[in-house]
Amino acid sequence: QVQLVQSGAEVKKPGASVKVSCKASGYTFTSYGISWVRQAPGQGLEWMGWISRNNGNTKYAQNLQGRVTMITDTSTSTAYMELRSLRSDDTAVYYCARGEAADYWGQGTLVTVSS
Amino acid sequence: DIQMTQSPSSLSASVGDRVTITCRASQGISSYLAWFQQKPGKAPKSLIYAASSLQSGVPSKFSGSGSGTDFTLTISSLQPEDFATYYCQQYDSYPLTFGGGTKVEIK
Repeated sequence: QVQLVQSGAEVKKPGASVKVSCKASGYTFTSYGISWVRQAPGQGLEWMGWISRNNGNTKYAQNLQGRVTMITDTSTSTAYMELRSLRSDDTAVYYCARGEAADYWGQGTLVTVSS
Repeated sequence: DIQMTQSPSSLSASVGDRVTITCRASQGISSYLAWFQQKPGKAPKSLIYAASSLQSGVPSKFSGSGSGTDFTLTISSLQPEDFATYYCQQYDSYPLTFGGGTKVEIK
């Protein structure tokens, strides 16, 4: 069965960076891109970006441009999302999902930014 | 950017009720629309893709319709496990965007 398993919760100080991993199984990793979505406490879903299934082409949300990088490692079927210069309003649960239509989701990774 | 407007933002309904949630796109998105269900503390779950295609394993009480700018999600007979927040998302063009969500509560 399709599974996306994300790395564990993180606590970071303002200005630091965080890298969240998303390991895929149960399907051919190079057949689908990966979307990243976050959800601040008590808020709705915010699309962060997408990385293509094969050539690493990326699309990022305008408000994250310059601070976010998404990559994939096809040898391990793992996607990564790095967010830099963290601020308190980056505190959220971060999700990876399969494809642009997000048919399968990871379990989420809580990132807390606090001094 | 394409704005997705969901209505209502919340609703109260009883078990057995038929519930309809609407989603309007600020410009045409063909049928590139998905619906998700999210329960507290859980990841979203895909219900519908391509506006009206039921995701594998999702019960047939869920249905989606629409194309262009106006879309609906219908739950034919609300059950206790359906009380959750529902989101629409367009994937026609970047940036992909979500609606604000509809919280379905027990009356």
